[in-house]
Amino acid sequence: SQKIEQNSEALNIQEGKTATLTCNYTNYSPAYLQWYRQDPGRGPVFLLLIRENEKEKRKERLKVTFDTTLKQSLFHITASQPADSATYLCAPGTGGFKTIFGAGTRLFVKA
Amino acid sequence: EPEVTQTPSHQVTQMGQEVILRCVPISNHLYFYWYRQILGQKVEFLVSFYNNEISEKSEIFDDQFSVERPDGSNFTLKIRSTKLEDSAMYFCASSGRGQGADEQFFGPGTRLTVL
Repeated sequence: SQKIEQNSEALNIQEGKTATLTCNYTNYSPAYLQWYRQDPGRGPVFLLLIRENEKEKRKERLKVTFDTTLKQSLFHITASQPADSATYLCAPGTGGFKTIFGAGTRLFVKA
Repeated sequence: EPEVTQTPSHQVTQMGQEVILRCVPISNHLYFYWYRQILGQKVEFLVSFYNNEISEKSEIFDDQFSVERPDGSNFTLKIRSTKLEDSAMYFCASSGRGQGADEQFFGPGTRLTVL
């Protein structure tokens, strides 16, 4: 069955450093992959979408890579700030109307 | 900035009762979704809705669940006979183009507590 794996352990980093979060998937071939941010008690907020023919995508301090051979996406936040502390969800997609989220990785950025 | 709204923010009900959760999607969006998130667990897809019919649903979305767009603005999720395990946060989302490869806008959620 399709499986999405994100680091279940929280990631703790110092302000100003680059945070790198991993999303691995198995048993399917997504045509794209989305990243969302979720704060406690709130709904997810869309951040970036990367398609299978794109190796890398950037938006301000965010960078996403998509390696279809490794079946992996990396999500980077450069010059991280305490306000970046949240849970980050990945959602590989094959099209259609069903979005399946990974469990998310909790990021803590210390001042 | 347009946003998805949901009411109520918190609903407490007795097991076996019916509940209706309400959502107002962004006005020019065409695709609507419900998700749930049990405390401490991941966001789970329930159902998607387009052109007044269900486009896709998950195994969770059994006969106890139904969705409706009763007018041009509201989108509702009904749970016919609630169970303890239905206690969760329920999120509504909408998108313009649908087909997955599209940014979904989520509402703030309704916390459902079944006693």
